[in-house]
Amino acid sequence: GQQVMQIPQYQHVQEGEDFTTYCNSSTTLSNIQWYKQRPGGHPVFLIQLVKSGEVKKQKRLTFQFGEAKKNSSLHITATQTTDVGTYFCAAQSTGTASKLTFGTGTRLQVTL
Amino acid sequence: DAGVIQSPRHEVTEMGQEVTLRCKPISGHNSLFWYRQTMMRGLELLIYFNNNVPIDDSGMPEDRFSAKMPNASFSTLKIQPSEPRDSAVYFCASSFGIQGNSPLHFGNGTRLTVT
Repeated sequence: GQQVMQIPQYQHVQEGEDFTTYCNSSTTLSNIQWYKQRPGGHPVFLIQLVKSGEVKKQKRLTFQFGEAKKNSSLHITATQTTDVGTYFCAAQSTGTASKLTFGTGTRLQVTL
Repeated sequence: DAGVIQSPRHEVTEMGQEVTLRCKPISGHNSLFWYRQTMMRGLELLIYFNNNVPIDDSGMPEDRFSAKMPNASFSTLKIQPSEPRDSAVYFCASSFGIQGNSPLHFGNGTRLTVT
């Protein structure tokens, strides 16, 4: 079955530093979604990427879909304490009725 | 929009007891998902309904788990009998369209503890 790995599992940064999490799939993807889960909360949708090489920005967040559609990244510029949480990618393989598989998540801690 | 509503928020029960988790999806959404989240296994899809019909239940752990969606505005996940290893946070999510095509909207979850 499809495997979706995220690295790193955990990262601790000081406020103002940049942060990047990577999502890697064992299969070619049709699309990928990113979610953020605050401590004690539920996953909240951030964005969906569909096209090969696609780059999307949301304020300080930059999302990228790899050219081969097997990997993706989320980059946060100048982190703030409000960025604390776990970031999940959710990947869907090509083919009809394929599952949306959540990655293992990257937990981000930001301190002053 | 009230969002996806789950109840109860917390459930503590003894091993062997029946547990029923409830979910009201967002009105107009035609896909509903039950996920389980644990530290060890992360977010696992248990079952996916589309237009009230179970499409993929391959993630349901075993016969002790069952899920129903009698109408477009209500779903239940039942565990009987419950075991300590079922302790987890159970999320219900809904979306418009088929799986993967549109964002998932998650409820606040039910934290289940089986002693």
